[in-house]
Parts: sequence; C-alpha cells; structure tokens
Amino acid sequence: QQQVKQSPQSLIVQKGGISIINCAYENTAFDYFPWYQQFPGKGPALLIAIRPDVSEKKEGRFTISFNKSAKQFSLHIMDSQPGDSATYFCAATPGGKLIFGQGTELSVKP
Amino acid sequence: EAGVTQFPSHSVIEKGQTVTLRCDPISGHDNLYWYRRVMGKEIKFLLHFVKESKQDESGMPNNRFLAERTGGTYSTLKVQPAELEDSGVYFCASSQRGLAGFFYSYNEQFFGPGTRLTVL
Repeated sequence: QQQVKQSPQSLIVQKGGISIINCAYENTAFDYFPWYQQFPGKGPALLIAIRPDVSEKKEGRFTISFNKSAKQFSLHIMDSQPGDSATYFCAATPGGKLIFGQGTELSVKP
Repeated sequence: EAGVTQFPSHSVIEKGQTVTLRCDPISGHDNLYWYRRVMGKEIKFLLHFVKESKQDESGMPNNRFLAERTGGTYSTLKVQPAELEDSGVYFCASSQRGLAGFFYSYNEQFFGPGTRLTVL
C-alpha cells in the first residue's frame, strides 16, 4: 500500500519556468514532510522540509505548500535551472523512518 | 566531515548466492537506517538502528535479510540466499539522535550513495 503518492513521474520544464511536484498522504500520524533531491550516482539529499502547522515554507527558489485538510503538499521550484535536473522525492514521517513517494524525474531544458 | 559511505557501490551476484552490504554512518550519529529502491518505485524503509539496537525492523522483506550494527558504529546488511526480486539500490542513512528521552528523531537523515545490487 502506497502511503505517499507523488506525481508526476517525470517533468520537463524550460529554463526559467516553474516546476511543480505534488504529493498526497493518508496517515494523519505523519507530522514532518521533507523533500529530497537526488542526482545520478548520489544518495538523496534533504532539500527543504515542513511541519503541518505551517502552510508554506520558502527557501530561495524552493517553496513547499502544505494543505493539512486535503492531506496534500507540493514543491514549487521557481526560475528552474538546468542544474535543478534531478530526481525529487517527497516523504513523510511520524518521526524516525521516512515514507517516500515514487519520485519525479525533473529535466530542465536550456 | 566525511559523509555516509557504503560499500560496495555495485554488486552483481547469481541467484542463491550471499551478499553483504556495508554502511559507515557519519561519526556520532546514533540513528542508522536502511532503505531500498526497486527500479522506478519508491524508496522503501527496511529497518532502523539506534546505536546497536534494532528500533524498527518492520520493513525487512523476509528472513533472508539480516542486519547488524555491532558496537553501534558501522552496519551490515546480508542477503542470504539472494533472489531476483532483491535487485535494487540499497541506501543507508544516518542522523543524530533526537532530544534526550525522545526516541524518534526529526533530525535530517544523511544518505549514502547507495549500493546497486543486481541478482541474475
């Protein structure tokens, strides 16, 4: 059973555009929602994270929007750059183990 | 400071053979996690150590998988005997312990580069 659903599976965006990746969860015990970025040959690395008492968190060009009632959260990458091309994973946790979404392969075209 | 390291980076074995994966966490990190990603699917949790103790092994697929963390430092994950469906990328992650008395940590998990296991 997939506890965190992520979409789309792949995304192609032009340089300077906005990349949007969506995730939904079921378990209301989840109370920490990180996003991880993974480049080929590397392990996932924490990009940005949010707690459910906040509806939005912004760090540079990366923003998480969180809708607790809908049990959905999304990652927005503003002014997307070719260097942002990577696989992005949303995750959720009640503390401890991470429950990941399926991943989104983002390609930013010059 | 050195990050999480994993060895080997890639392993190709025949069905029925045994493979042992190793993870060296960041020094001082009490929490150590094992995850696995089967091609194209989500990264799935396998188990969680706090120091040398198994805190949560609910994600271990079956008894062909054995994880150890002797002395609370490095960890090994042994698959014996390996099956075709065990193929995938095995990630190890470590994090600092949470607040005193608080078992579950929201501290950042630092991932290693993974071991790609191919079972033929």
